[in-house]
Amino acid sequence: QVQLVQSGGEIKMPGASVKVSCKASGFTLTTQSIGWVRQAPGQGLEWVGWINPYNGNINYAQNFQGRVTLTTDTSTNIAYMELRSLRSDDTAVYYCARGAQFDSWGQGTLVIVSS
Amino acid sequence: DVVMTQSPLSLPVTLGQPASISCRSSQSLVHSDGRTYLHWFQQRPGQSPRRLIYRISNRESGVPDRFSGSGSGTDFTLKISRVEAEDVGIYYCMQGTHWPRAFGQGTRLEI
Repeated sequence: QVQLVQSGGEIKMPGASVKVSCKASGFTLTTQSIGWVRQAPGQGLEWVGWINPYNGNINYAQNFQGRVTLTTDTSTNIAYMELRSLRSDDTAVYYCARGAQFDSWGQGTLVIVSS
Repeated sequence: DVVMTQSPLSLPVTLGQPASISCRSSQSLVHSDGRTYLHWFQQRPGQSPRRLIYRISNRESGVPDRFSGSGSGTDFTLKISRVEAEDVGIYYCMQGTHWPRAFGQGTRLEI
């Protein structure tokens, strides 16, 4: 069945970078895209971006332009989200989800940014 | 960008009673392919969101039929015919028609 398994939680200093992975099973990234969403503590869902490995299309939310990079490795069926120049307000759970319509979700990765 | 507005933001309900959540978009969600990409997600406490209903009214596999979705254009509704204890959580609408994608603020359903 479709499953998305994300990497473990991270604690980072302000200004650092974090790279979260999302391993897909039950489907391949050559035929399905991946989106990313984050949720700050006690807050709602915020769309981060989306990547389609099939045709190379990528969309980023304006709030993250220039700081986030989405990539995929189709040989391992893993998607990645890298966020740079971390700030305290980047502290959140980051989710990957399948497709442009988010039909399946990963378990989430908690990223804490603190000095 | 499309803005999604949900109401109410908090919804106290009684077990066995109905519940209804409204979601409005700032622009029509009818895609050029003729479909309307408005989805509903449920997030139970401590869990990842899961998609309950896709394209306005289609229930995901395993979703009880007490959940139903309706609407068109810019106005959409999620209804629960009889609330059960397991329905506690936060419900989000999301538009998948336009870029960037956007979620509503979420509606907290509590017993």
